Amino acid sequence: KQEVTQIPAALSVPEGENLVLNCSFTDSAIYNLQWFRQDPGKGLTSLLLIQSSQREQTSGRLNASLDKSSGRSTLYIAASQPGDSATYLCAVHSGNTPLVFGKGTRLSVIA
Amino acid sequence: DGGITQSPKYLFRKEGQNVTLSCEQNLNHDAMYWYRQDPGQGLRLIYYSQIVNDFQKGDIAEGYSVSREKKESFPLTVTSAQKNPTAFYLCASSIPGFFKSGANVLTFGAGSRLTVL
Repeated sequence: KQEVTQIPAALSVPEGENLVLNCSFTDSAIYNLQWFRQDPGKGLTSLLLIQSSQREQTSGRLNASLDKSSGRSTLYIAASQPGDSATYLCAVHSGNTPLVFGKGTRLSVIA
Repeated sequence: DGGITQSPKYLFRKEGQNVTLSCEQNLNHDAMYWYRQDPGQGLRLIYYSQIVNDFQKGDIAEGYSVSREKKESFPLTVTSAQKNPTAFYLCASSIPGFFKSGANVLTFGAGSRLTVL
């Protein structure tokens, strides 16, 4: 059964710093991996989708990489801003079941 | 604008009552999902539906029921059999399938917070 782990559980950084969020999964036979953002008490917003054949995806200051063989993905956020403060969730699609989510990393960017 | 509407945003339930959470989408997506989120936890799948009149149990289906009579609607009923229903409930939809453009990119509603009194 696919399991997704996100480290760290929480992270606090000063504004302007570059940072990396980590996601690992146990079954490397995946179709795709997605990164989502969740603001407190809100739904999830899709940030980036990486298909299994891809190595990375970029959107603005966000860059997500995928190393399927090692079961790892990273989300890189450049020049962090207070508006980036949120919980970031990683989710993996494998087999015939819907997405399996990690528990998320709660990010605080301090002005 | 296309999207997913969940209602109500907040709901209070007394012990022993059934309650139904509404989820409506106008994205023309075939697949719809219900997830439960507890504080500090990720999302856990309750039920999902890939097509009208068909649905599958997720990891934590006990104490919940769903129906999918219309493509646009996927209501979730939290029954009295669910022993710990206080949580944040999220509905999502997507284009099902594999390796199709846009497939499995989930669009989420804003969520419904259920509290048992």
